[in-house]
Amino acid sequence: AQSVTQLDSHVSVSEGTPVLLRCNYSSSYSPSLFWYVQHPNKGLQLLLKYTSAATLVKGINGFEAEFKKSETSFHLTKPSAHMSDAAEYFCVVSFNDYKLSFGAGTTVTVRA
Amino acid sequence: NAGVTQTPKFRILKIGQSMTLQCAQDMNHNYMYWYRQDPGMGLKLIYYSVGAGITDKGEVPNGYNVSRSTTEDFPLRLELAAPSQTSVYFCASSSTGTATEAFFGQGTRLTVV
Repeated sequence: AQSVTQLDSHVSVSEGTPVLLRCNYSSSYSPSLFWYVQHPNKGLQLLLKYTSAATLVKGINGFEAEFKKSETSFHLTKPSAHMSDAAEYFCVVSFNDYKLSFGAGTTVTVRA
Repeated sequence: NAGVTQTPKFRILKIGQSMTLQCAQDMNHNYMYWYRQDPGMGLKLIYYSVGAGITDKGEVPNGYNVSRSTTEDFPLRLELAAPSQTSVYFCASSSTGTATEAFFGQGTRLTVV
């Protein structure tokens, strides 16, 4: 069965410290992978995507993610958190042409 | 560039009432989607369309209907509202399927009482 799992429902970090959001997927082949961010009462915005090119993907606002096929993971990182990074983050996997499968989401809190 | 526009932003319905959630995109995208978002559950696909005149069910289609008469519009119809349909609904579009970026609307928060 194909699925996507975000390992942390909530992550709290201090401003200026690194952020790590973990995502694992289950698939019989290499899917397309995305991270989306949702700020409170807003729609979803694409942070970055992996579509079988470089395994280290750089996105907007200083975020990056590394695709590790052997671990079926696509973890999202940022070296230094900013207050504006407080939001909900979704790991999203495309297993076919029409359906995006969403993780349950990780809420990021940034402490001053 | 408006992108994906959803109306209304908020709505309260009584049980048994009907309503249509509107979605329009101005990017000439072939693919359009309706998702619902419930707390701690991510987004679940309700219906999708790969072009005008073509629609198909997603993961959670019961209680909903859609139509796609034009490339731009993809309305979602709730016929007999139930409390279980209380959710935030998102419309999205993409140019060539889900391997490319999907663009999301701002969402419609629906409460059924």
